[in-house]
Amino acid sequence: DGGITQSPKYLFRKEGQNVTLSCEQNLNHDAMYWYRQDPGQGLRLIYYSQIVNDFQKGDIAEGYSVSREKKESFPLTVTSAQKNPTAFYLCASKRGKESYEQYFGPGTRLTVT
Amino acid sequence: AQSVAQPEDQVNVAEGNPLTVKCTYSVSGNPYLFWYVQYPNRGLQFLLKYITGDNLVKGSYGFEAEFNKSQTSFHLKKPSALVSDSALYFCAVRDGGRNSNDMRFGAGTRLTVKP
Repeated sequence: DGGITQSPKYLFRKEGQNVTLSCEQNLNHDAMYWYRQDPGQGLRLIYYSQIVNDFQKGDIAEGYSVSREKKESFPLTVTSAQKNPTAFYLCASKRGKESYEQYFGPGTRLTVT
Repeated sequence: AQSVAQPEDQVNVAEGNPLTVKCTYSVSGNPYLFWYVQYPNRGLQFLLKYITGDNLVKGSYGFEAEFNKSQTSFHLKKPSALVSDSALYFCAVRDGGRNSNDMRFGAGTRLTVKP
């Protein structure tokens, strides 16, 4: 999982509460991504950021928000507007436009009841 | 828009036998193709990629994949499977003809290698 940390590994919240998932990388990568993983559906892109102070919506951004105030950090907030927030969340990073593969963190499993 | 399909949810092989995990793709431009592996409750680990050049790509842990443009496929292979290869495998594609960070992942194939 090298160089990308996500915390916590498991997170439990009550319905109606906002929750923020942490993602930090020390790889000096420019681009960072957030994916959601559900059984049998692969990975779906929530948000991505190519540079500091800039980010773009992915396929399923509704009910989520992000910030990119520092190059090494890309926190994801799951808001109460997200209808089905229970999932495994994966953060990834990529060096820049000249590179190809993304590198993933260990993931955070969020359970909302 | 690009897409990728992994037609098998589950692949079972005996240890020591060759394994194949299938992947087909659809892109409008040149395909950039990737394979990742995921162990339980872990992130994805990069195995290999095809960007250009030789159609047979070698990657980590003895895995390789063959790019077939006419069949739009990028199947993952290993000559001799190990029990420790048991995991969830994802194929991904990005359209190299676009200046985009949009990478599409397949739904995943669960590989089980039995002793």
